[in-house]
Amino acid sequence: EVQLVDSGGGLVKPGGSLRLSCAASGFTFFTYRMHWVRQAPGKGLEWVSSISSTSSYTHNADSVRGRFTISRDNAKNSLYLQINNLRAEDTAVYYCARDKTADGVFDIWGQGTMVTVSS
Amino acid sequence: DIQMTQSPSTLSASVGDRVTITCRASQSISSWLAWYQQKPGKAPKLLIYKASSLESGVPSRFSGSGSGTEFTLTISSLQPDDFATYYCQHYNSYSWTFGQGTKVEIK
Repeated sequence: EVQLVDSGGGLVKPGGSLRLSCAASGFTFFTYRMHWVRQAPGKGLEWVSSISSTSSYTHNADSVRGRFTISRDNAKNSLYLQINNLRAEDTAVYYCARDKTADGVFDIWGQGTMVTVSS
Repeated sequence: DIQMTQSPSTLSASVGDRVTITCRASQSISSWLAWYQQKPGKAPKLLIYKASSLESGVPSRFSGSGSGTEFTLTISSLQPDDFATYYCQHYNSYSWTFGQGTKVEIK
């Protein structure tokens, strides 16, 4: 079964850090571009970060640039998001997503992991 | 940056109704548009990509149309499982922007 499983969320104080993980199974992970998308409570979807299949290219949303770093380990079929200097507005469910066509159609999603930033 | 605007924000409809949701782009995006369905507490599900291509496994009552700046998602006969929030998304190689969402409620 094609599957993505998100983990690593939690409660963190403003200014803190977290590392989110996404474990892939059931498909050739190393051939797909991957993304992180987040959703604040009661709000819409916001694309956060992307990484090419070989890690050659990464892109970040302006709202997280300089604080979030996307990475992957193709040997472990895993995607990561290092999030630093967290702010209250980063509170959200974070989803990893597979890029169906390498240009940004998200066909497989993880179940999401909740990040809460609060003192 | 390209902005995506959906209308309406909320839509009340009955089972069996034909439902149309509109998505407008702030500038031409050709056919680089996808539609997703999201139910409470769940991850989004891809319905349509490249404006009108139906994702595998998605019921044929869902269809997409449009190009340039105006796009529509149509549900030909609303089913109980279709009550959800729908998002449009512009995509290209380096930019991905969602609309604000349209909630389809039971009338």
